[in-house]
Amino acid sequence: GDSVVQTEGQVLPSEGDSLIVNCSYETTQYPSLFWYVQYPGEGPQLHLKAMKANDKGRNKGFEAMYRKETTSFHLEKDSVQESDSAVYFCALRSHTNAGKSTFGDGTTLTVKP
Amino acid sequence: GAVVSQHPSWVICKSGTSVKIECRSLDFQATTMFWYRQFPKQSLMLMATSNEGSKATYEQGVEKDKFLINHASLTLSTLTVTSAHPEDSSFYICSARGLAGALTTYEQYFGPGTRLTVT
Repeated sequence: GDSVVQTEGQVLPSEGDSLIVNCSYETTQYPSLFWYVQYPGEGPQLHLKAMKANDKGRNKGFEAMYRKETTSFHLEKDSVQESDSAVYFCALRSHTNAGKSTFGDGTTLTVKP
Repeated sequence: GAVVSQHPSWVICKSGTSVKIECRSLDFQATTMFWYRQFPKQSLMLMATSNEGSKATYEQGVEKDKFLINHASLTLSTLTVTSAHPEDSSFYICSARGLAGALTTYEQYFGPGTRLTVT
């Protein structure tokens, strides 16, 4: 079945640091890829997406490149801010399998001031 | 953008009672709705998928008689937790997918979640 593995647990950069949160996926299909962000007590919100290989999703200074050759969709930002602190989920959605999404376990980003 | 609402945002109920959670797509027609539960500091676990007018498809291990899902219209789905017990306490999140103007059918929008506490 489909699976998504992302950077485990918590990452603790300081404000202004660069950031990479890894995401790797496995599927037999040709998926769309997403990063969702979740703030405490809220549902996930779509953060960025890439629908096909070599697409780059962008939002609020974050970027993620859909790399089919390495089956990866790493989330990157040059300079994080305290307001970026949240839980980030990487997800894939195959165009079959009833279009269900498969989520990674989430990475907690806590940016130190 | 597409908005999904849930009601209530939190609920406390006694063990043995039933609780209904509503999920509404406010500005688009949701052909498919998904129900998830999330435990603290964990990922989203898909419980079931429902298409408007059809019976829900439950994931393995999810009791369909305990978690009743109704998707009677293109803008409303409900999840009823029947005979709730403390182990059912969780954060329940719905998600809707459908046509919404310029948005594609593959966009999935999440509600704000419902915190259920069973005492």
